[in-house]
Amino acid sequence: QVQLQESGPGLVKPSQTLSLTCTVSGGSISSGGYYWSWIRQHPGKGLEWIGYIYYSGSTYYNPSLKSRVTISVDTSKNQFSLKLSSVTAADTAVYYCARGFGVVIPSFDYWGQGTLVTVSS
Amino acid sequence: QSALTQPRSVSGSPGQSVTISCTGTSSDVGGYHYVSWYQQHPGKAPKLMIYDVSKRPSGVPDRFSGSKSGNTASLTISGLQAEDEADYYCCSFAGSYVFGTGTKVTVL
Repeated sequence: QVQLQESGPGLVKPSQTLSLTCTVSGGSISSGGYYWSWIRQHPGKGLEWIGYIYYSGSTYYNPSLKSRVTISVDTSKNQFSLKLSSVTAADTAVYYCARGFGVVIPSFDYWGQGTLVTVSS
Repeated sequence: QSALTQPRSVSGSPGQSVTISCTGTSSDVGGYHYVSWYQQHPGKAPKLMIYDVSKRPSGVPDRFSGSKSGNTASLTISGLQAEDEADYYCCSFAGSYVFGTGTKVTVL
C-alpha cells in the first residue's frame, strides 16, 4: 500500500520561500509510471493543482504558479519536494502531495494527509 | 482558467440516488475525455472516486458512476448511504488541471 507523508514548516513569513517534502513509502518513485504531485486547498475552499514531477525529473506546473514553483525529486530518499517563492497570505492553504497515474492525463489515487501552511509575519 | 461549476449542495435519503453536475466549457470538460471525481470528508484528504469520465478505481463501490455529455459531467451515487455524506469535487483538464467548486452531499 503506497503511503505519502508531507513534512515542513507550518508557518512561513511573507516574501519567504515555502518548502515542503513528501516522503513516499510502499512504492519506489524511481520505478516510473507515476507523476508525483502537489495540490493545495485554501481554507474552506476548493482544490488547486500546483504541479507534478516524473521520476526522470520532468516537471509540469500550473501556469498561474509557474513563476514561483519548483518541484524536485530525490529518488535516493524516495522523496519529492515543493518550493514556492515570494509567498503571501494568499498562499495559506493545506498542501497535499499525491500520486498521479494514467498515460495521457493523470488522476490522483494516493494522497498524503495534508499539511497546513500559514503565511504570516 | 475558471473553476468548473457544481451545485453547492445536494441531498437525498438513504437508498435514493443523487446526481452532481459539473459544468465547464469546450476548452476543458468538453474538450477532453478526462473528468475525475474526488470525495472529501471533513479534515481528510480527497479520495479518487472516478477517473477518465467513468472508470472506478479498485475498491470504489459500483454505486458511484460517472458520465459526460458535451460540456457537463455528472457523478451519480445510487443507493445513497450515510458514509457518502461528504464534499465532492470534479476535475478536468485544460492544459492544466481545473477543479470544480465542490458539492456538499447530505444524507437526510
